[in-house]
Amino acid sequence: DQQVKQNSPSLSVQEGRISILNCDYTNSMFDYFLWYKKYPAEGPTFLISISSIKDKNEDGRFTVFLNKSAKHLSLHIVPSQPGDSAVYFCAASRRDDKIIFGKGTRLHILP
Amino acid sequence: EAGVTQFPSHSVIEKGQTVTLRCDPISGHDNLYWYRRVMGKEIKFLLHFVKESKQDESGMPNNRFLAERTGGTYSTLKVQPAELEDSGVYFCASSRLRGDHTEAFFGQGTRLTVV
Repeated sequence: DQQVKQNSPSLSVQEGRISILNCDYTNSMFDYFLWYKKYPAEGPTFLISISSIKDKNEDGRFTVFLNKSAKHLSLHIVPSQPGDSAVYFCAASRRDDKIIFGKGTRLHILP
Repeated sequence: EAGVTQFPSHSVIEKGQTVTLRCDPISGHDNLYWYRRVMGKEIKFLLHFVKESKQDESGMPNNRFLAERTGGTYSTLKVQPAELEDSGVYFCASSRLRGDHTEAFFGQGTRLTVV
């Protein structure tokens, strides 16, 4: 049973616009959420994270929002750039425990 | 500083054969993780070493998979005998602090194809 769900396999966004990637989770015991970015033939790289005690974390063009009551988080990228084209994995963990990943969403930034 | 390196980058083997994947973590990283991604699916946790000890191997699919970490340095993941469903990309990651996934660095992965 999937504990972290990314229901959109792919997303296309015009360059300069906002990209919004969504993620849902089922385990209320998760206390840390992360987003990873992956280019072809490379391993995932950490992008941004948020603790369960917060509802927003911002780092440059990237912002993650957490809605604990809905068990939902989202990653906003604004403005979207061509180099943002990649697969984005949502992940969650409990303290000192392993990461549980979603299936990923492939983001295409259109010129 | 060298990153996490994995060898080989690709491996094609026949069903029933044995394959050994290797991971060299970043120097000084006590925590080493193995993950696997089957095509189109999520990246799944396999196991976690702290130095040479297996901290959590709850994700290992079955006893055909054997992971070792000699002297707390590099790690190997052996699949014997390989089955078709073992095909996928195997990732290794390492981190200095346990539970600090923001500082977990991944290798480029080994793509295993069992035919």
